[in-house]
Amino acid sequence: DAGVTQSPTHLIKTRGQHVTLRCSPISGHKSVSWYQQVLGQGPQFIFQYYEKEERGRGNFPDRFSARQFPNYSSELNVNALLLGDSALYLCASSLQAGNSPLHFGNGTRLTVT
Amino acid sequence: DAKTTQPPSMDCAEGRAANLPCNHSTISGNEYVYWYRQIHSQGPQYIIHGLKNNETNEMASLIITEDRKSSTLILPHATLRDTAVYYCIAAQTGANNLFFGTGTRLTVIP
Repeated sequence: DAGVTQSPTHLIKTRGQHVTLRCSPISGHKSVSWYQQVLGQGPQFIFQYYEKEERGRGNFPDRFSARQFPNYSSELNVNALLLGDSALYLCASSLQAGNSPLHFGNGTRLTVT
Repeated sequence: DAKTTQPPSMDCAEGRAANLPCNHSTISGNEYVYWYRQIHSQGPQYIIHGLKNNETNEMASLIITEDRKSSTLILPHATLRDTAVYYCIAAQTGANNLFFGTGTRLTVIP
């Protein structure tokens, strides 16, 4: 069975641009969470979505948004990119909103220049 | 969620048991202890979790002290592929907003 897949694997953007990152959860998993991992730090929670609704949000500015589609895949959007947004963006899926463990993809490496 | 404290790095000889400690002195009664690991260039991987009883699965064992203020993850026979950053997390069951901290970088030495 396929695990959590994320696209693209790498991305380079310029300050002020916007970016869309995509995530496909494990088949049958209805909850998707997004994390940001800056170099040298552990992952930091951004969003959780379940059944197309936002169920949790971390301490991130409104430039960050996400959505979940009927097939449970998800997109993370970041507007007005800053240099500090350079990070590994991780998507994780789980069976339900309140269900662990989380299954992570290998992330999208975003570089903002 | 309770804060956890882990040593920043540890070494372990290949084939020996790796014992990774974690302090969580402020853990509340409904918080579990979760362990994840992250191998270089990959996403975190779930290892094991427990509430107050010791737990064992095919990957590792988790020993939680009786007062639940600390725990130890045990990899019984470490291999080079176990080299990774190991994260200890205290969270309520089913929580998706996990706080990872900076973890312990385990290096398995040939």
